Amino acid sequence: AQSVTQLGSHVSVSEGALVLLRCNYSSSVPPYLFWYVQYPNQGLQLLLKYTSAATLVKGINGFEAEFKKSETSFHLTKPSAHMSDAAEYFCAVSDATDSWGKLQFGAGTQVVVTP
Amino acid sequence: ETGVTQTPRHLVMGMTNKKSLKCEQHLGHNAMYWYKQSAKKPLELMFVYNFKEQTENNSVPSRFSPECPNSSHLFLHLHTLQPEDSALYLCASSQVVLAGAVEQFFGPGTRLTVL
Repeated sequence: AQSVTQLGSHVSVSEGALVLLRCNYSSSVPPYLFWYVQYPNQGLQLLLKYTSAATLVKGINGFEAEFKKSETSFHLTKPSAHMSDAAEYFCAVSDATDSWGKLQFGAGTQVVVTP
Repeated sequence: ETGVTQTPRHLVMGMTNKKSLKCEQHLGHNAMYWYKQSAKKPLELMFVYNFKEQTENNSVPSRFSPECPNSSHLFLHLHTLQPEDSALYLCASSQVVLAGAVEQFFGPGTRLTVL
């Protein structure tokens, strides 16, 4: 069984400030981990994924995430927020033994960027 | 058309109506998924199809009936829905492999309102 917890349903950041979104997972087997972004009135778009190749993963739009097994975490960061980063962000986990790649999503974090 | 498309984008229906949601993927993938996204709740996986065979049904009520006539098209037939079924319904597709993190590609969703 696996689950994902995203700390904070809403995050407000100033333009140019650090964006930090927290994700913790629980999984009985080594997981694959994903961050998706959803802009208003759109579907989800993949930002980055962890596949055990490297613990620091770089994604699109300047985002990156670090896998920390000891902390069972996969937090998402961006050094400098842009207005265009305002969206909802979802962390997801899949079981590496699941051949159909079913995803378990967190509840999401809404990011607001203020000028 | 590219990616994953969904029609209609918005749908309002009464509880006694019958309607269908359509999803089409133009990516040559072999698996398709239906998700329900309700306010303040994590995305809920409803159905998974691979090679046109349903491999997952997460205890979804029978008023939701999926159909996958080929690997590119997925339908969700709706009848006698309840107001609590109002949500954003997302379709996704992926190319499932024997091993590795499987990225899902999402459509823009259908916003369903049940009156």
